[in-house]
Amino acid sequence: DTGVSQDPRHKITKRGQNVTFRCDPISEHNRLYWYRQTLGQGPEFLTYFQNEAQLEKSRLLSDRFSAERPKGSFSTLEIQRTEQGDSAMYLCASSLWTDEKLFFGSGTQLSVL
Amino acid sequence: GENVEQHPSTLSVQEGDSAVIKCTYSDSASNYFPWYKQELGKRPQLIIDIRSNVGEKKDQRIAVTLNKTAKHFSLHITETQPEDSAVYFCAASIRGDYKLSFGAGTTVTVRA
Repeated sequence: DTGVSQDPRHKITKRGQNVTFRCDPISEHNRLYWYRQTLGQGPEFLTYFQNEAQLEKSRLLSDRFSAERPKGSFSTLEIQRTEQGDSAMYLCASSLWTDEKLFFGSGTQLSVL
Repeated sequence: GENVEQHPSTLSVQEGDSAVIKCTYSDSASNYFPWYKQELGKRPQLIIDIRSNVGEKKDQRIAVTLNKTAKHFSLHITETQPEDSAVYFCAASIRGDYKLSFGAGTTVTVRA
């Protein structure tokens, strides 16, 4: 499968714990995006990278959230001190820097108990 | 930023009939308008997109129309089939800003 892959698919954690998700984009794509989707809503933009540079962060992204893309390939999204309101599907997407077409991964479903 | 509104939130159609979903956007600088289909538990998949220099685009049973003056765009599905049942999202991005702003989604159910 040469599409966007995300790991894990599901994560259950207790409130206050830290969690980390990984995204592997399509190999030739240099833009990588993180979105969050809650039930009955469309994806909401969180942040994006062009190569290893994080170019924009949404005001939705509190200081408990941090994303990295150290070598311009895979990316990680870490949530510290999780809260119940963090429960959502976290979607990763990638694109070529010359193209607006976004290709999504299957997401990581986070449940904070 | 861009604000995208989508209607209706649910749509039930008889197999073989047409389905139409409408979206409005707020920023006249938006120039790219994709539609995504998301089946239960699966990733959003791009099904069709249109850019602001084009008024209409068609791909088999799916078409998208864009009215820049009114700032709205629509998805048309003809001859609906049970496999068209899914949640459909519209989105828009502002020229030079590659992130997408999504509508809230339309749940389409095709009745056999």
